[in-house]
Amino acid sequence: DTAVSQTPKYLVTQMGNDKSIKCEQNLGHDTMYWYKQDSKKFLKIMFSYNNKELIINETVPNRFSPKSPDKAHLNLHINSLELGDSAVYFCASTPDRGDNEQFFGPGTRLTVL
Amino acid sequence: AQSVSQHNHHVILSEAASLELGCNYSYGGTVNLFWYVQYPGQHLQLLLKYFSGDPLVKGIKGFEAEFIKSKFSFNLRKPSVQWSDTAEYFCAVTLYNTDKLIFGTGTRLQVFP
Repeated sequence: DTAVSQTPKYLVTQMGNDKSIKCEQNLGHDTMYWYKQDSKKFLKIMFSYNNKELIINETVPNRFSPKSPDKAHLNLHINSLELGDSAVYFCASTPDRGDNEQFFGPGTRLTVL
Repeated sequence: AQSVSQHNHHVILSEAASLELGCNYSYGGTVNLFWYVQYPGQHLQLLLKYFSGDPLVKGIKGFEAEFIKSKFSFNLRKPSVQWSDTAEYFCAVTLYNTDKLIFGTGTRLQVFP
């Protein structure tokens, strides 16, 4: 009965590989987000989708491509992984656009070797 | 650009000590304010939030925060900390009716028995 879930929890891969992280929420929310938390714990928004439509796209390299097959899922695909992509990636959701509390997933720790 | 500052990067306290963590933001318009907590190895959880009304808001686990508009501040307080409060604390802001949650750099709190 997890509200926001992410898979995998840990991901270790080599530079240059392509990998995906999946996120699912069972809260019935319309809006989902991806955040990156770096080694200094700083959290920064990457993307936001509302009802499968991209609404926020921060200055993220185009190697990162979010995909929302339906409003309950927001996956993150990363091409040609680089060392600097190592971080914890958090998915979040909120009932609708605007000023709402965001509910976070458990995070995916990505390590690029 | 809008930003959130948390001046205390690392706070070390003994149990029963009082806590105050500073948070300041830079934006002249209406904001919504949040404090999130991240326990070791866990995802972010909401401690409390301010949207409007009484500037003194109470959250879970005995935490409270005061919004002082003239100082652009939203400091977090707890009168008596416990060892279980050891965690990373993040202040965050959304600009009114926007989707983007802007986080501060976080404050690491360590409480010793």
